[in-house]
Amino acid sequence: QKEVEQDPGPLSVPEGAIVSLNCTYSNSAFQYFMWYRQYSRKGPELLMYTYSSGNKEDGRFTAQVDKSSKYISLFIRDSQPSDSATYLCAMSGTDSWGKLQFGAGTQVVVTP
Amino acid sequence: DGGITQSPKYLFRKEGQNVTLSCEQNLNHDAMYWYRQDPGQGLRLIYYSQIVNDFQKGDIAEGYSVSREKKESFPLTVTSAQKNPTAFYLCASTHSRDSPLHFGNGTRLTVT
Repeated sequence: QKEVEQDPGPLSVPEGAIVSLNCTYSNSAFQYFMWYRQYSRKGPELLMYTYSSGNKEDGRFTAQVDKSSKYISLFIRDSQPSDSATYLCAMSGTDSWGKLQFGAGTQVVVTP
Repeated sequence: DGGITQSPKYLFRKEGQNVTLSCEQNLNHDAMYWYRQDPGQGLRLIYYSQIVNDFQKGDIAEGYSVSREKKESFPLTVTSAQKNPTAFYLCASTHSRDSPLHFGNGTRLTVT
């Protein structure tokens, strides 16, 4: 069983809808949680970075972490066709020095 | 502009040949990383380096080698011992132990 599970999609939504993405994990030592966006043939771009449990909002993006359930989410409001990409969750323990565990990524398609 | 530069973007090699992928950063980050990405799988850590002249194996180091002679450079050699070298290779860096990774735009290696 993988340490981080993420539904690969594709997830298709109409423009303006809310995109809801999530990952589950098994390692209770994870403390840092990240969401990256990756366009085709490009490197991942950091969207959200959170520590421990709670919510974090940045513009149209909201990240939620529920450590008791080992479950993290990313919500994208007012989705745009430019949000069409693969979204990767990643996480690590303390003192990780960049040794992240990644989900497989969810492909999102926002249709005009 | 600060960033991570990977070159070349596409690389083709014959089976049995070693090939070196370049990664340069001007972010003054101490730590650098190599990840491999395969379709439908999360990123997997190959090697990482927290300081010049020192590096450690990641989860899938077999068939790869690295060097870290300068802070800004972390080249990856894919040797002929790597059984399945065709993949998308991503270089990343970070400035501290609990900071998120920043990625380059990758090199797509095809070995035939």
